[in-house]
Amino acid sequence: EVQLVESGGGLVHPGGSLRLSCEASGFSVSTHRMNWVRQAPGKGLEWISNIGPSSSAKYYADSVKGRFTISRDDDKNSLYLQMSHLRAEDTAMYYCAREPWLNWGQGTLVTVSS
Amino acid sequence: QAVVTQEPSLTVSPGGTVTLTCGSSTGAVTNDHYSYWFQQKPGLAPRTLIYDTTARHSWTPARFSGSLLGGKAALTLSGAQPEDEAEFYCLLHYSGVRVFGGGTKLTVL
Repeated sequence: EVQLVESGGGLVHPGGSLRLSCEASGFSVSTHRMNWVRQAPGKGLEWISNIGPSSSAKYYADSVKGRFTISRDDDKNSLYLQMSHLRAEDTAMYYCAREPWLNWGQGTLVTVSS
Repeated sequence: QAVVTQEPSLTVSPGGTVTLTCGSSTGAVTNDHYSYWFQQKPGLAPRTLIYDTTARHSWTPARFSGSLLGGKAALTLSGAQPEDEAEFYCLLHYSGVRVFGGGTKLTVL
């Protein structure tokens, strides 16, 4: 069974950093394009980043470019999102998802507040 | 980056038919955008209904169908059920970048 489990969310001060993880099972993250998507409270879905099977192909939304970094550890079959210079508007539930968008995790909540 | 537009809200009667659309600021939506449709109910993660413009997942009810219509991606619900009331999001691919629409709140009433 394919499963994605996010972790690493929590409360962080503005300007701080946080690293999210997404552990996959039932398939190999090295063979799929993997995405991070977020949803602010009461708002819509926002795509923020993805990484291709080659790892060299990484893409970011303008809203996070230069502050967030996506990566992958094939040995741990996991996806990561390193977030820095966090702002209040980064407060959201963060989901990982496997293309072709067959599977989503349940999300991890990030709250940026002083 | 591109902007993807959806109707903010739509209402359909039980048993009725409704079409949700998904437009792109860059021009006509084509098969090259690999249109996706997701359903989300309160407190839950999104669930994929349609991928690659027209393909249904094994869990997608047959009453949902995807297409291209008038330069937009479209999701048609035929024979709406009360449990179909939800937020619906489309997603378009722009080479490596992905963009979600703002979502359509569908009410079955």
